[in-house]
Amino acid sequence: AQKVTQAQTEISVVEKEDVTLDCVYETRDTTYYLFWYKQPPSGELVFLIRRNSFDEQNEISGRYSWNFQKSTSSFNFTITASQVVDSAVYFCALSEAPVTGGGNKLTFGTGTQLKVEL
Amino acid sequence: EPEVTQTPSHQVTQMGQEVILRCVPISNHLYFYWYRQILGQKVEFLVSFYNNEISEKSEIFDDQFSVERPDGSNFTLKIRSTKLEDSAMYFCASRTGTGYSGANVLTFGAGSRLTVL
Repeated sequence: AQKVTQAQTEISVVEKEDVTLDCVYETRDTTYYLFWYKQPPSGELVFLIRRNSFDEQNEISGRYSWNFQKSTSSFNFTITASQVVDSAVYFCALSEAPVTGGGNKLTFGTGTQLKVEL
Repeated sequence: EPEVTQTPSHQVTQMGQEVILRCVPISNHLYFYWYRQILGQKVEFLVSFYNNEISEKSEIFDDQFSVERPDGSNFTLKIRSTKLEDSAMYFCASRTGTGYSGANVLTFGAGSRLTVL
């Protein structure tokens, strides 16, 4: 069974601080995908990034960066120079590789509430 | 940018009533999903739908739930007789076919909040 653990329930930082959100996953699949979604106070789920299990290159997109380490089954997310608008719940998720007709469901972690204050 | 549209945004109903939540997925997507999020909790998979049939469902998706794609554009979730514990945000999502070029990225709708009294 697939499982995603986000041990940090809530993190509070002051604007311009860097913050790292942790994600640890479990799966028996050799091919899988990892995701981060953002849920702002308005409630929608916004896709941030997808990584596949064969690509361990870290990725940077503006103030966001992701560190995927297969050896420790972790896919951590760092926001550099945080801003108030980053305040949201961030979900890490895992899915199996897509197959025709397959469900390819996402298994979500419990989320980390990030509060960025002035 | 294409988006998944859900209606209603909020529905209040009495326990025991039937509820239908509607979704219009992105037009060229082939796979459709319903997820739910009880307030303050994680997002949970309910059901996936492909080629006009359910491809996978969770334990939550019992006989009280059903899904339908009646007209090739709408994708509906029906709860036959609502219970208090059905109160949650329900998210519809869709994705394109197989492949590795972003094919399994789910695009979520803004959600339908269901309150059962």
